[in-house]
Amino acid sequence: EAGVAQSPRYKIIEKRQSVAFWCNPISGHATLYWYQQILGQGPKLLIQFQNNGVVDDSQLPKDRFSAERLKGVDSTLKIQPAKLEDSAVYLCASSLGGDFQETQYFGPGTRLLVL
Amino acid sequence: RKEVEQDPGPFNVPEGATVAFNCTYSNSASQSFFWYRQDCRKEPKLLMSVYSSGNEDGRFTAQLNRASQYISLLIRDSKLSDSATYLCVVDPGGGADGLTFGKGTHLIIQP
Repeated sequence: EAGVAQSPRYKIIEKRQSVAFWCNPISGHATLYWYQQILGQGPKLLIQFQNNGVVDDSQLPKDRFSAERLKGVDSTLKIQPAKLEDSAVYLCASSLGGDFQETQYFGPGTRLLVL
Repeated sequence: RKEVEQDPGPFNVPEGATVAFNCTYSNSASQSFFWYRQDCRKEPKLLMSVYSSGNEDGRFTAQLNRASQYISLLIRDSKLSDSATYLCVVDPGGGADGLTFGKGTHLIIQP
């Protein structure tokens, strides 16, 4: 079974530029999550989708971050404009349903460096 | 007080030894608990869920103490391949805020 796919794997941009990340969850998984993992920290949930609806975006910095999952499958996360403190790994995860007791499967992540 | 706290380590342990680490959580209403493993520059992967009665999976044992609000992970007969960061994960429940990850405990198994 194919895992969660993410691209790009690495991205280097200058501050104030824009960047977008893409995620393709495991086939059939209704729930998709975006996490931010800063070096030395655990992942922090940014947004959770159930199919194409947002379940939780309470920790998403909405002044600069946006995410969508228009057809309930793939998702994109955008940062506009980027700040130095956005340097992190952005992890996408998916699970079969919306119950947190279900296993979440993580993609390899996108490493973002903002200069 | 941070929601999920772990000793970041590193824990340097000789191969074959037993190692244990704890994690404390602040939300007494938390519903579910997990240990995830994260290798260097890799994504987190579920190691095991933590049940109220405690559970064991091979060399790994997880325990939950609701009264003191901590969970533990015990690794017996440690292997070189156990070297990784172990993330404590708590689900607050009630549909709020999603999973909360600790910063992780870095374990190094030495030959």
